[in-house]
Amino acid sequence: DVKVTQSSRYLVKRTGEKVFLECVQDMDHENMFWYRQDPGLGLRLIYFSYDVKMKEKGDIPEGYSVSREKKERFSLILESASTNQTSMYLCASSPLLGTSSGANVLTFGAGSRLTVL
Amino acid sequence: AQSVAQPEDQVNVAEGNPLTVKCTYSVSGNPYLFWYVQYPNRGLQFLLKYITGDNLVKGSYGFEAEFNKSQTSFHLKKPSALVSDSALYFCAVRERGSGNTGKLIFGQGTTLQVKP
Repeated sequence: DVKVTQSSRYLVKRTGEKVFLECVQDMDHENMFWYRQDPGLGLRLIYFSYDVKMKEKGDIPEGYSVSREKKERFSLILESASTNQTSMYLCASSPLLGTSSGANVLTFGAGSRLTVL
Repeated sequence: AQSVAQPEDQVNVAEGNPLTVKCTYSVSGNPYLFWYVQYPNRGLQFLLKYITGDNLVKGSYGFEAEFNKSQTSFHLKKPSALVSDSALYFCAVRERGSGNTGKLIFGQGTTLQVKP
């Protein structure tokens, strides 16, 4: 069964702390995404990556950075956490378009709920 | 600008009745449209997609969606709702010009409440 695993389901951090959210997929997907989910706002794209060491900003990249050193792992980094970054963070992956019939479909992890105090 | 709108924050329906969750989109050209479902404390799960072909698309758990180009809509439907269908539903459209990444733009979500 295909799988996207987010290492932390719940985190509580303090303002100013550096926070790492880890995501691992076992499907050999090229694309990986980090979304932020807030009530009434749906999912907003923070960053995505289409290959190792490649990354592109999404719609709300401010205050975040990412790292993709290996194909299966995509990390989201909050350099200095702030209270307005309290949210649910969702990682997703997908194959390159055109490589398979499922190429348009994102597979999501269970989410990481971050609270910044 | 490309966008997706889900005009209802919540839909309430009685078990056994038909349900509809509405979605409209704004994107140039032919859209790629998706529905995802999120159960409590879980990630999103893919339900169905429209790429091309028949306007009525069938998906998981008995759900279907109807693509209407003239109304720029992609409403999710089910003939007979179950209490277990209660969840948060997201409509999404593939961002035009997203190259090989297939980035999706999501609506704000609609909570479906099915009562016994």
